[in-house]
Amino acid sequence: DIQMTQSPSSVSASVGDRVTFTCRASQDISTWLLWYQQKPGKAPKVLIYLASFLQSGVPARFSGSGSGTDFNLTISGLQTEDFAIYYCQQAKSFPLTFGGGTKVEIK
Amino acid sequence: QLQLQESGPGLVKTSETLSLTCSVSGGSINTVDYSWGWIRQPPGKGLEWIGNINYRGVTYYNLSLKSRITISVDKARSQVSLKLNSVTAADTALYYCSRWSDSIGWFDPWGQGTLVTVSS
Repeated sequence: DIQMTQSPSSVSASVGDRVTFTCRASQDISTWLLWYQQKPGKAPKVLIYLASFLQSGVPARFSGSGSGTDFNLTISGLQTEDFAIYYCQQAKSFPLTFGGGTKVEIK
Repeated sequence: QLQLQESGPGLVKTSETLSLTCSVSGGSINTVDYSWGWIRQPPGKGLEWIGNINYRGVTYYNLSLKSRITISVDKARSQVSLKLNSVTAADTALYYCSRWSDSIGWFDPWGQGTLVTVSS
């Protein structure tokens, strides 16, 4: 299985901050990497696919980068509605695997 | 707009079989472009992929659950089913169904999820 490791597990930030967090794959997954956002009581929502492509309707303050084993999700100018948990997921091969998540909390 | 709705018993007894159904509406379940998947989330924890089934009925399962899982599709009813047998408390989770795109590699959209509690 491809293991996905996210860091940090949580980050405390203020509205307007730029935050970046990381997802690392245990082997090369090229750009087969998704980022999801999950808010309390809601299903996850796709933010970024193929490592750097913004899903339709997602604000441009979200961006993704990386390839191979190391990936980043950046939120430029954190908004109140961005406080949530972010998960990465590899789509390179079955079994599909998710990272443990990064929780973005209000400072 | 495609919508997915999970349904099933909210409480299952230890050692019994968990059976859930995902009803698909607003689009075709019978499409070569997409597969259907189940994902679960224990309370307060992260996401765990359970398995997928594709257009041809080929299934892909989480290896840690493989011996206990069956995923199937009823095209006539536009439903995807999950059966997980010999459940324990560790199977208590919010269970989601979703559509999977092989070409993009994403789960989208998702159902709202259904909470299943396993208890004796």
